[in-house]
Amino acid sequence: GAVVSQHPSRVICKSGTSVKIECRSLDFQATTMFWYRQFPKQSLMLMATSNEGSKATYEQGVEKDKFLINHASLTLSTLTVTSAHPEDSSFYICSAPGRQYEQYFGPGTRLTVT
Amino acid sequence: GEDVEQSLFLSVREGDSSVINCTYTDSSSTYLYWYKQEPGAGLQLLTYIFSNMDMKQDQRLTVLLNKKDKHLSLRIADTQTGDSAIYFCAESMGNTGKLIFGQGTTLQVKP
Repeated sequence: GAVVSQHPSRVICKSGTSVKIECRSLDFQATTMFWYRQFPKQSLMLMATSNEGSKATYEQGVEKDKFLINHASLTLSTLTVTSAHPEDSSFYICSAPGRQYEQYFGPGTRLTVT
Repeated sequence: GEDVEQSLFLSVREGDSSVINCTYTDSSSTYLYWYKQEPGAGLQLLTYIFSNMDMKQDQRLTVLLNKKDKHLSLRIADTQTGDSAIYFCAESMGNTGKLIFGQGTTLQVKP
């Protein structure tokens, strides 16, 4: 099946710094990708839709200036957490649609802000 | 708004069947999904069902959909210890590609 990768798998950063997370579709093209975050023992919450060639669209309550999304190519979307704070510590997961009904998820990135 | 509800925990014995239930609210959902998440890992798509279907079977997995009651279930036959994980039900938001997830059901399989 289709594969989506994320890099890095784990990252620890200091409060106030920025961190970039990459999401790649390895064997298919994706004009749209989605970014979710998951707090411990909780469900996935959709943060934003990454659109190739245009601006990302953000869900209500998600700060677009804090979570910068760039869909650089048909196989790559990046999420940059700017001026990270401890409350941004979470598990960030991206997904990309395959065929009409399939959504493929990356393995996730565990962000810890100290 | 859209909402997906699941029971939080299910414990079964190895070899028994597991049934995980889910209710959803968005009647425009095109597809409904079941994902499996093991500790510290991403989501693995187990199966999906199109909204105009009542049932789908895939090896040990059986999905039942009651569209009138907006109720979805996942039955795992002959549950194994390797099936221990968190199972998420998700509904699609129309044809947007966005998914709304339930809280996840932790399945514990006792030997």
